[in-house]
Amino acid sequence: GNSVTQMEGPVTLSEEAFLTINCTYTATGYPSLFWYVQYPGEGLQLLLKATKADDKGSNKGFEATYRKETTSFHLEKGSVQVSDSAVYFCALSDRSNTGKLIFGQGTTLQVKP
Amino acid sequence: NAGVTQTPKFQVLKTGQSMTLQCAQDMNHNSMYWYRQDPGMGLRLIYYSASEGTTDKGEVPNGYNVSRLNKREFSLRLESAAPSQTSVYFCASTMNTEAFFGQGTRLTVV
Repeated sequence: GNSVTQMEGPVTLSEEAFLTINCTYTATGYPSLFWYVQYPGEGLQLLLKATKADDKGSNKGFEATYRKETTSFHLEKGSVQVSDSAVYFCALSDRSNTGKLIFGQGTTLQVKP
Repeated sequence: NAGVTQTPKFQVLKTGQSMTLQCAQDMNHNSMYWYRQDPGMGLRLIYYSASEGTTDKGEVPNGYNVSRLNKREFSLRLESAAPSQTSVYFCASTMNTEAFFGQGTRLTVV
């Protein structure tokens, strides 16, 4: 079945450091891929998405590229801020049009000043 | 914009008690979902409703029931709560490929 695997956290970085959170997936067909972010005490919010191979999703300085050959969708940011501290979830949605999401386990990011 | 609203935000139940988690969205979305979030496991789908009047099981439906009361509301019921149902519950609705989540209900079963 479909699945998503993220790198384990927590990830602790200093402000202005480079961020990479790895995400790989297993799926039949060509899923859509997402990164969601959860700030403390809140629900999840869509950060970025990509719907086909080689698409790059970007938002708020974060980027991720849909790599079909490596079944990956790694999240990157060139310079993190304290306000980026949150839990990040990689997710996929198959093409069944049900909108169901399959999530990775989440990666906690803590950015220190 | 209220978006997706869940009630209550916190709840403590004793084993065997029942309760209903409420969810409402004001975005006119057709599809709604209930997920549970557990440490180290991400979010897992409990039930979903592709449209008013339909519901389907997700990955972890045992011990739960749902009702899609109308297009706006989708409730989750625990008939006889168990400690294994201690979790954070999120309701969501979707438009195209983007899901919108409520703020969650933290449920503890003792």
